[in-house]
Amino acid sequence: EDQVTQSPEALRLQEGESSSLNCSYTVSGLRGLFWYRQDPGKGPEFLFTLYSAGEEKEKERLKATLTKKESFLHITAPKPEDSATYLCAVESGTYKYIFGTGTRLKVLA
Amino acid sequence: DTGVSQDPRHKITKRGQNVTFRCDPISEHNRLYWYRQTLGQGPEFLTYFQNEAQLEKSRLLSDRFSAERPKGSFSTLEIQRTEQGDSAMYLCASSLMGGTRQEQETQYFGPGTRLLVL
Repeated sequence: EDQVTQSPEALRLQEGESSSLNCSYTVSGLRGLFWYRQDPGKGPEFLFTLYSAGEEKEKERLKATLTKKESFLHITAPKPEDSATYLCAVESGTYKYIFGTGTRLKVLA
Repeated sequence: DTGVSQDPRHKITKRGQNVTFRCDPISEHNRLYWYRQTLGQGPEFLTYFQNEAQLEKSRLLSDRFSAERPKGSFSTLEIQRTEQGDSAMYLCASSLMGGTRQEQETQYFGPGTRLLVL
């Protein structure tokens, strides 16, 4: 059965303190891995799509990487406005996403 | 392009009542998805449409749930005889059939409808 596990569940960082979020997955035939940001009471906002091991994508302070078993979301010099829940999802050819439970990030000023 | 919209944003109902939610996808998107998200969890897939055809339903979608997408445009999700366990955020997403690989496989989510069953 396809499965996505995210760690840590919650993370508190000081402003400027870089860190990484982990998404490990088991899926039969990965077609894509997706990162989303979700603010409280809102729908997920698309960040990145990764397709193959070794691929990297960057956007502002965020960088996503992919291996055959996991993905990392690296946050460099975070700001308070980066506080949110970060969700990872995989798709294995059926167009439905399997999501992890997310990492709740809090960046303190 | 105003993105995916959902209505209502919030719904409070009493156990046993029926509720209906609406989703309007991004205008050129052919695929439409419904997910359910409970507090502290990631979204869980419920069902998906390609144009007007409902192509897959999760076993989470009991016989009290029905979804439609007449004419392949907006979609409705109805819950009959609501139960307290139905309380959740109901999310709609859409994606494009055709175009680049990323355009086909990236789902864009609406703001959600938060349901509370008393």
